Amino acid sequence: EPEVTQTPSHQVTQMGQEVILRCVPISNHLYFYWYRQILGQKVEFLVSFYNNEISEKSEIFDDQFSVERPDGSNFTLKIRSTKLEDSAMYFCASEVSQVADQPQHFGDGTRLSIL
Amino acid sequence: GNSVTQMEGPVTLSEEAFLTINCTYTATGYPSLFWYVQYPGEGLQLLLKATKADDKGSNKGFEATYRKETTSFHLEKGSVQVSDSAVYFCALKVKAAGNKLTFGGGTRVLVKP
Repeated sequence: EPEVTQTPSHQVTQMGQEVILRCVPISNHLYFYWYRQILGQKVEFLVSFYNNEISEKSEIFDDQFSVERPDGSNFTLKIRSTKLEDSAMYFCASEVSQVADQPQHFGDGTRLSIL
Repeated sequence: GNSVTQMEGPVTLSEEAFLTINCTYTATGYPSLFWYVQYPGEGLQLLLKATKADDKGSNKGFEATYRKETTSFHLEKGSVQVSDSAVYFCALKVKAAGNKLTFGGGTRVLVKP
């Protein structure tokens, strides 16, 4: 069964450094999402992306964050200058369409640790 | 706005016991409802879904019924196994609200032999 893949599985970065999290969505999917889960807290929506544009972003997704689909397969989340509070598990998800019964498929996540 | 509330864990059970995890929601618009499961060290996997009132989602012995009148989507399994030990997340999405998933806080379930 096709799956969403995320790399790396664990990223350790010094505060203030840039980090890029990578995702390869399922190949025929058109809608892409990033979520994050701070340890012990809820999974939170960050951003959705369709047709090479951001569709929606949460208040968490400030100017330090950006997303890109640089080619036909990758979908990346960049944090320009990381803060300690960016430490979390980041999940990528993709969806074939936005018909109500279509689920979002998730990757295994990238654990980001900011030192 | 949209929100999901689910019972806090951890829930500890013996093998073959009955499992219920309560989930209630508030939504602007007509939501689709989902249960996701996260096994240790893995990502979120779709367990089951329901998209309209009175629909019953089922998978791997788990069931949940979309109850519009009580705004609930409780997860049940009649006889749990050790392999069901995981964190379970209730979630909703509303197409008119951008289709993003809104998650509950997750319920950790531990099944002991």
